Amino acid sequence: AQSVTQLDSQVPVFEEAPVELRCNYSSSVSVYLFWYVQYPNQGLQLLLKYLSGSTLVKGINGFEAEFNKSQTSFHLRKPSVHISDTAEYFCAVIGQAGTALIFGKGTTLSVSS
Amino acid sequence: DAGVIQSPRHEVTEMGQEVTLRCKPISGHNSLFWYRQTMMRGLELLIYFNNNVPIDDSGMPEDRFSAKMPNASFSTLKIQPSEPRDSAVYFCASSPRGVRNTEAFFGQGTRLTVV
Repeated sequence: AQSVTQLDSQVPVFEEAPVELRCNYSSSVSVYLFWYVQYPNQGLQLLLKYLSGSTLVKGINGFEAEFNKSQTSFHLRKPSVHISDTAEYFCAVIGQAGTALIFGKGTTLSVSS
Repeated sequence: DAGVIQSPRHEVTEMGQEVTLRCKPISGHNSLFWYRQTMMRGLELLIYFNNNVPIDDSGMPEDRFSAKMPNASFSTLKIQPSEPRDSAVYFCASSPRGVRNTEAFFGQGTRLTVV
């Protein structure tokens, strides 16, 4: 079985500052990893995913994440955030033989001016 | 494509009543998921269908919950009888060939309030 821990429930930052949202996973098998974003009153939208290959993955809206197998982490980063990045961010994992995504509890990113 | 369509968007019902949530997946997708989102527990997988067949329903909390997928374009999640602790946002998601090699597309959710 897999599990996901998002280490910060809330991350407040100022506009144009860099941000890192932390995600650690647990699994006895190889995994695929995802980051989703949820804007208020909306469904979840895929930001990026790691399936294989380069451990640095680039996604939409200037976000990127790095897969670190030894530390079982998949942290999300953005060098300069905008007010419009304010949202809930979810890390998710699925085992390579799995069937459905397992989500972390989410991190609320609040960007202020 | 219009994406995954869920109805209703909001539902308020009294304890003990039957509630039915509906989902239309994206055409051509053969995997469908129901998730429940609460502040305390986050996003929990309730049930997963593949080619209209329930594959994993281990997340369904109890017998009051049931889900069906009578055809490739429609699924329902039913709660009977409903209880206040069922209040949550329920999401439906679909995926074209299993979620591992692609993304799961989410609907906008149904916010259920049981009073």
